[in-house]
Amino acid sequence: DAKTTQPTSMDCAEGRAANLPCNHSTISGNEYVYWYRQIHSQGPQYIIHGLKNNETNEMASLIITEDRKSSTLILPHATLRDTAVYYCIVRLSGSARQLTFGSGTQLTVLP
Amino acid sequence: NAGVTQTPKFQVLKTGQSMTLQCAQDMNHEYMSWYRQDPGMGLRLIHYSVGAGITDQGEVPNGYNVSRSTTEDFPLRLLSAAPSQTSVYFCASTNLLGQGSNEQYFGPGTRLTVT
Repeated sequence: DAKTTQPTSMDCAEGRAANLPCNHSTISGNEYVYWYRQIHSQGPQYIIHGLKNNETNEMASLIITEDRKSSTLILPHATLRDTAVYYCIVRLSGSARQLTFGSGTQLTVLP
Repeated sequence: NAGVTQTPKFQVLKTGQSMTLQCAQDMNHEYMSWYRQDPGMGLRLIHYSVGAGITDQGEVPNGYNVSRSTTEDFPLRLLSAAPSQTSVYFCASTNLLGQGSNEQYFGPGTRLTVT
């Protein structure tokens, strides 16, 4: 699976959009980009995933660049409850389903 | 659905003691796995299973055993606990049907301290 690079930490004002970047320059054609988050002391929570096209669900939007070497997770209206560590994971489709977690980005939403 | 459940939530062991961390899921997922998370670090895969009767090692399997006798249950056994096994343990499950989706569902974690 391709390696990902994320900033260690970010701050965001409550009510504003949080944009979390992820670089995955070695991604291959059949690898998906997944985002999970982990609120303090809880198990990780799935947010969204995508292959090529931008994706949106009730939690967030995922923007993947045309060359697929980077992506951005967008939380459109961040709340204090969105404070968490956000993990960007790249994984082959069709493989065994284990996830390789890096260090992630600590997002702190400020009041 | 209860999702993924783990017991106990907290456990303190002495060096050399053995114990089993329980994990169960009620979503009929084929795939289950165990991760450990040390303070300030990401999750590391210990063992995983793609179905009943099938298990395999992950990134950090030493000191742990697993078995998968049913689809629902995937216990993790520590045969002789060591202080290095002090960590938070998460169990996860997902289905294996299709490609590219398959979000993983995580349990609430077991916080283990070995003295």
